Amino acid sequence: DAGITQSPRYKITETGRQVTLMCHQTWSHSYMFWYRQDLGHGLRLIYYSAAADITDKGEVPDGYVVSRSKTENFPLTLESATRSQTSVYFCATRGGVSGTGELFFGEGSRLTVL
Amino acid sequence: AQRVTQPEKLLSVFKGAPVELKCNYSYSGSPELFWYVQYSRQRLQLLLRHISRESIKGFTADLNKGETSFHLKKPFAQEEDSAMYYCALAMNRDDKIIFGKGTRLHILP
Repeated sequence: DAGITQSPRYKITETGRQVTLMCHQTWSHSYMFWYRQDLGHGLRLIYYSAAADITDKGEVPDGYVVSRSKTENFPLTLESATRSQTSVYFCATRGGVSGTGELFFGEGSRLTVL
Repeated sequence: AQRVTQPEKLLSVFKGAPVELKCNYSYSGSPELFWYVQYSRQRLQLLLRHISRESIKGFTADLNKGETSFHLKKPFAQEEDSAMYYCALAMNRDDKIIFGKGTRLHILP
């Protein structure tokens, strides 16, 4: 029972390449989130989704694309990676009645853009 | 604009001493506040949320709407409290949850 899993856990890529980070949950939580974690900036919200086919921009959406065709998956794509996107990316779900519960986080995906 | 402010990047406290990690927020709606903790090599996990008003691992936090604060407190620090602590604001009007920059708590022996 993994709950929420992210893949890959580690990725090294080059500037300009497309990268997709995967996030999968087994709880059927409606809400899913993507954050990036950087020293000095803490956790910043990239995109979030209230349900399948519903996505919204967070604090730092530029350079990222998301989709949510199924409730359990919420992939994050960097269409043309830049060095400033080197970061640790966390996916999270929010359960509870009408999505009012706590956030559950994945283990993170560490991305390095050379 | 909505904002969560954690003024201390690093807080060093001796074992057995009281701990207070500060969190202030800015939000015009009805706020829901959380504290999350990240221990070394572990996932971020919930420590406290203001609506539950409980004490976890000896930590408490009270929402002060007048001062727009949600400070985390513990009367006697333990070495296992060393971790990164994040304050978070759920803006239920538009389903966003945003975090502060975090405070690293270092408990000195």
